Amino acid sequence: QSALSQPASVSGSPGQSITISCTGTSSDVGGYNSVSWYQQYPGKVPKLMIYDVNKRPSGVSNRFSGSKSANTASLTISGLQAEDEADYYCSSYTTSSTLVFGGGTKLTVL
Amino acid sequence: EVQLVESGGGLVQPGGSLRLSCAASGFTLSSYWMHWVRQAPGKGLVWVSRINSDESSTNYADSVKGRFTISRDIAKNTMYLQMNGLRAEDTAVYYCARGGAVASAYWGQGTLVTVSS
Repeated sequence: QSALSQPASVSGSPGQSITISCTGTSSDVGGYNSVSWYQQYPGKVPKLMIYDVNKRPSGVSNRFSGSKSANTASLTISGLQAEDEADYYCSSYTTSSTLVFGGGTKLTVL
Repeated sequence: EVQLVESGGGLVQPGGSLRLSCAASGFTLSSYWMHWVRQAPGKGLVWVSRINSDESSTNYADSVKGRFTISRDIAKNTMYLQMNGLRAEDTAVYYCARGGAVASAYWGQGTLVTVSS
């Protein structure tokens, strides 16, 4: 159950688009359409932003989108805003009937 | 309104035990998957365990398998995490969350477990 691989940090300017990658294996990300993305502000509770690779829960801005290719999933945030500055985590179902998170990515809005 | 309130955290010595509780309101535990996720201070999220809606299936991360047990009391609408053989590396904020088998839209505020002598 190795953690999924995410970049430690990404940054972008307001209005730009950024993409956060989440790399696993065929035993997790590549094997299932069960990738989720969470946003977490410092000291706050995680918030579900994307589930089942590309579905948005009600109330989540359509500036957030998800995709997957082979063993890598991606979260794209378009029209970057200052309020998007947070930590982002991916997670995936695995062949062991468990879940695994990525190490997290700190998004900085310049 | 969906609410999840964790309790039971605290300071425990290595090798000790704790039982965490997650009191649910606004919904019935018997209708949803439930998860425990932990986060060590300054670190990332780590999935710990889940239990399905009819309690027929439970799963655990390798790091806690054999030491932690997830359960629930439908009458009290409360989920539990019995933690035995605690180690320093189990120190974390423990969140309970309502799923989805694989995604959780509702999270509690967390309870801090500190394992130290």
